[in-house]
Amino acid sequence: DIVMTQSPDSLAVSLGERATINCKSSQSVLYSSDNKNYLAWYQQKPGQPPKLLIYWASTRESGVPARFSCSGSGTDFTLTINSLQAEDVAVYYCQQYLHSPITFGQGTRLEIK
Amino acid sequence: DVRLLESGGGLVQPGGSLRLSCAASGFTFSSFALTWVRQAPGKGLEWVSTISGSSGTTFYADSVKGRFTISRDNSKNTLYLHMNSLRAEDAAVYYCAKDATPYSSSWYFDSWGQGALVTVSS
Repeated sequence: DIVMTQSPDSLAVSLGERATINCKSSQSVLYSSDNKNYLAWYQQKPGQPPKLLIYWASTRESGVPARFSCSGSGTDFTLTINSLQAEDVAVYYCQQYLHSPITFGQGTRLEIK
Repeated sequence: DVRLLESGGGLVQPGGSLRLSCAASGFTFSSFALTWVRQAPGKGLEWVSTISGSSGTTFYADSVKGRFTISRDNSKNTLYLHMNSLRAEDAAVYYCAKDATPYSSSWYFDSWGQGALVTVSS
């Protein structure tokens, strides 16, 4: 199975500052036939189900604020949250969906400093 | 709006069985693959099983293969997960999730239910 490793496990960022979460896959999730990275990001707030933020590594889901962005390709990806808001407190998960079975990262807990 | 509502969770003894249901609304049910993802208490997300939209092709994680059965009733807009031979390590919140793309399996999920808690204990 593809192992998705996120770093850090947790981080605390001040309101208005930038948060950066990394996701590394044990194999490339870039599919050469369509040149797409099969990577998604989810946000899970306490007591809630996950919410899709980003898919194809860089496409924001409808309604997701522009302060959320993702970069990277192949095996290394970064989720960036600019100008952190209080409502961004959550656990963030990356997920690869190129290889079977699909797998998730272990999650990164984001808190306010 | 898309709605997914799980039910059927509860306390079951090791070796027991349970059936989860997920009632869906707000989209053309038969056009989308559906998936069960579980989350053990305080842990991360684990894919469990997926069923395609119309053909009903099924997929299972190795950890549940042979014990769990996913099914769907497109006439009732309902997804099921039949769980047999339950183990302590199956204890989790089970979410049903809707595939993001109709008519094919994109394998990422744009809508999730609130989850059903399964506790396995004697």
